[in-house]
Amino acid sequence: AQSVTQLGSHVSVSEGALVLLRCNYSSSVPPYLFWYVQYPNQGLQLLLKYTSAATLVKGINGFEAEFKKSETSFHLTKPSAHMSDAAEYFCAVTDPYGGATNKLIFGTGTLLAVQP
Amino acid sequence: DVKVTQSSRYLVKRTGEKVFLECVQDMDHENMFWYRQDPGLGLRLIYFSYDVKMKEKGDIPEGYSVSREKKERFSLILESASTNQTSMYLCASSRGLAGGPNYFIENEQFFGPGTRLTVL
Repeated sequence: AQSVTQLGSHVSVSEGALVLLRCNYSSSVPPYLFWYVQYPNQGLQLLLKYTSAATLVKGINGFEAEFKKSETSFHLTKPSAHMSDAAEYFCAVTDPYGGATNKLIFGTGTLLAVQP
Repeated sequence: DVKVTQSSRYLVKRTGEKVFLECVQDMDHENMFWYRQDPGLGLRLIYFSYDVKMKEKGDIPEGYSVSREKKERFSLILESASTNQTSMYLCASSRGLAGGPNYFIENEQFFGPGTRLTVL
């Protein structure tokens, strides 16, 4: 069965520092992968997605992620953190047997804190 | 822009009450989903629907039912609320194919703002 692991439930960085949020997946077939962000008291918003085109995917707000098949990873990065990046981030993988409903399997989330 | 709205942001109910959570999307999406979100557990799928009157169980359907009488509306029902159903409930929708659940669609899911339900 598909699964996704996010290492580190809490990550704290200083403003201006590199942001690295880790995501590893398990799948017997190449999946589609997503990163979502959830700001306080809001729903989830798509940051970026990998759908078997370019392995380096650029998203909104300066975030990007690289699909590495050999490492089964899809880590999210941003060169310089901003205070407004403080939020919870979820990695998600598609269930290849989900059919037209494109069910997503979510990681447990990483709460990013940005220190001034 | 896709808009997914949920009937309440905050809801407080008592044990044993019947609870209705409503979700409406305005982009003519075929697929709709209900998740619950709990700290440390991420999002877990309760039920989803790929067409009007069609529904399938997700990973944690026990204690819940759903209704989809119109394409734009997907309701989650707690027949008899219990304290362990205190949670954040998120609705989502996505485009699908009218032909049914036989095609893989990569489209993103669009989420509503969530309903924080407390059962006392």
